[in-house]
Order: sequence, then structure tokens, then C-alpha cells
Amino acid sequence: DAKTTQPNSMESNEEEPVHLPCNHSTISGTDYIHWYRQLPSQGPEYVIHGLTSNVNNRMASLAIAEDRKSSTLILHRATLRDAAVYYCILRPRNQFYFGTGTSLTVIP
Amino acid sequence: DAGVIQSPRHEVTEMGQEVTLRCKPISGHDYLFWYRQTMMRGLELLIYFNNNVPIDDSGMPEDRFSAKMPNASFSTLKIQPSEPRDSAVYFCASSPSGARYEQYFGPGTRLTVT
Repeated sequence: DAKTTQPNSMESNEEEPVHLPCNHSTISGTDYIHWYRQLPSQGPEYVIHGLTSNVNNRMASLAIAEDRKSSTLILHRATLRDAAVYYCILRPRNQFYFGTGTSLTVIP
Repeated sequence: DAGVIQSPRHEVTEMGQEVTLRCKPISGHDYLFWYRQTMMRGLELLIYFNNNVPIDDSGMPEDRFSAKMPNASFSTLKIQPSEPRDSAVYFCASSPSGARYEQYFGPGTRLTVT
């Protein structure tokens, strides 16, 4: 079963870039890579998704390895409001599997 | 848009009582999902609907759980009878058919069964 692997936790200093990695070595050609985040006491929130090319939006950037076996969510300047659990999900193959994600702590 | 609306936000009930959780999806969204989140098991899909029809209910724990979607703007998740192990945060999410995997989550209902 194609699942993703993420570090349990990461720390970042405020206003510095954060690179959140995700491994998905058994990804299939039709799987999109989705990222969600869950702020404390809130529901998960869609962040970004991509297939092959790097993607940018107002929240973050997604860098996808050429072989698609890994990806990195990039927050260009971490703020205290970015402290959350970040989930990397393959869709449609593991469309509803959120896993444990990476808990990001932002240090003032 | 107001986003996905869930009620109540908090529910405390005694074991054996019936609990009904409510969800209003974002207008125009064709998919509706119910999730449960606990510390032990993380976020789990319980059931999802497409155009008001249940598509996959394999995540529903047991017969005590039931979900309905009588129309495009309303869904319920019912637990009868409730048990302490049902204590969790229950999330409803919706998505448009053109972007099925971009799910928009509600604020959740925190259920405590004593």
C-alpha cells in the first residue's frame, strides 16, 4: 500500500524558511501529492497539491523530485501561525489516509 | 461562503444516550465526508457521500453508527447507543466534484461520552 513517510516533528525559527519533507517511494503515476495542515483545535486545511511540476500558491511551495519519490513543502517565512501538523497524502490511492504528519513548532 | 458548518461544537453525554452530529457542507459541493480524530488512531474516514448517496461506509466502526444525507445541504452522523470509546473530535468535510481531493473541513464536534 502506497503510504507516505514524514518526520514526526520539526522546529523552525520565526521568519526563516521551513522545508518539510515527505517520502513516497511507491507512488503511482496517477497519484497527486497533496498537503494539508491542521492548526491547533481546528480541522485540517488544504495547503497545496501537485503531480510532477513544482507548484506555488499564496500559502506555500511544493517541490517534487524528478522521480516523484519524494516531495518538500516549503514555507518561505515561517510565522507563529504556521505552527501546525502538516500531512502529506497521495491521492487518489491513499485519498483518505492522513497518517501522523509532521508537527511543526515555530520558535519566536 | 461560511464554509462547512458543524453543530454542536461540543457535546457531552452519558453512555447509552443517542448522539446526533450535524453538518452543512459548502453550497455546490458534491462530496461530503465524515471523519473521526483521536490521539490513538489519528484522523479516520468514517463515510463519504457523493450527490447525497453513500459511497463508502467501510470506516463506520459498527452498527451503532449511522449517517444520512437527506439533501445536498445537510448531513447527520448518529451514534446510538453511545459509549465512552466514541469520545473523539468528529469532522465533516466537503469538496466539489471538479476538485474532489481538495477537501474543506468544518471546525469539528468534540464529543465526550461519560
